[in-house]
Amino acid sequence: DAKTTQPNSMESNEEEPVHLPCNHSTISGTDYIHWYRQLPSQGPEYVIHGLTSNVNNRMASLAIAEDRKSSTLILHRATLRDAAVYYCTLELFKLRIAGGTSYGKLTFGQGTILTVHP
Amino acid sequence: KAGVTQTPRYLIKTRGQQVTLSCSPISGHRSVSWYQQTPGQGLQFLFEYFSETQRNKGNFPGRFSGRQFSNSRSEMNVSTLELGDSALYLCASRVGRGTEAFFGQGTRLTVV
Repeated sequence: DAKTTQPNSMESNEEEPVHLPCNHSTISGTDYIHWYRQLPSQGPEYVIHGLTSNVNNRMASLAIAEDRKSSTLILHRATLRDAAVYYCTLELFKLRIAGGTSYGKLTFGQGTILTVHP
Repeated sequence: KAGVTQTPRYLIKTRGQQVTLSCSPISGHRSVSWYQQTPGQGLQFLFEYFSETQRNKGNFPGRFSGRQFSNSRSEMNVSTLELGDSALYLCASRVGRGTEAFFGQGTRLTVV
């Protein structure tokens, strides 16, 4: 299975942009890139996902390299509430030959611990 | 709308026992996945169900099993519990492939 590699930790100051990198050099052409974040004692929370093009939503932006071997999650203005573990994950695609349906599983890396300083 | 609900939130079991965990997905979501989270191994995929069929399975022993009901609710079962099974078990539901996953709060299982 394709894997993701992220820095163990990153720090930022409040109200500054944060760029969280992720390497996924073995990604397949049909694998989606997802980002989730997790606070202590909580389940992961969806942030953003994409396939080939850059994506924007109210929480963040996702920049995907042209060769799709890396991506960057961009938090435009970090707040203290953004401090969490950020996971770059791949949704691996497998096509079921019988029935023609497809499915995917999320593979999580070790994540990046983001610390935001006031 | 209601989120993903996992029950129970906390559980203490003895080695050798079995345990069943429950997950109620968001209404309309037909895909339910289970993950095990430990400090040493991180988040590891257990299995995924879609329309009552197991579509994918992770690298876990046969003691770990699951099922999905017609209303999309899912259960996972671990038999002959070992100390190493102590973990946070997370359930996630999605509409289908290429969509965001919604996670529950998890069930914290402690095996003593």
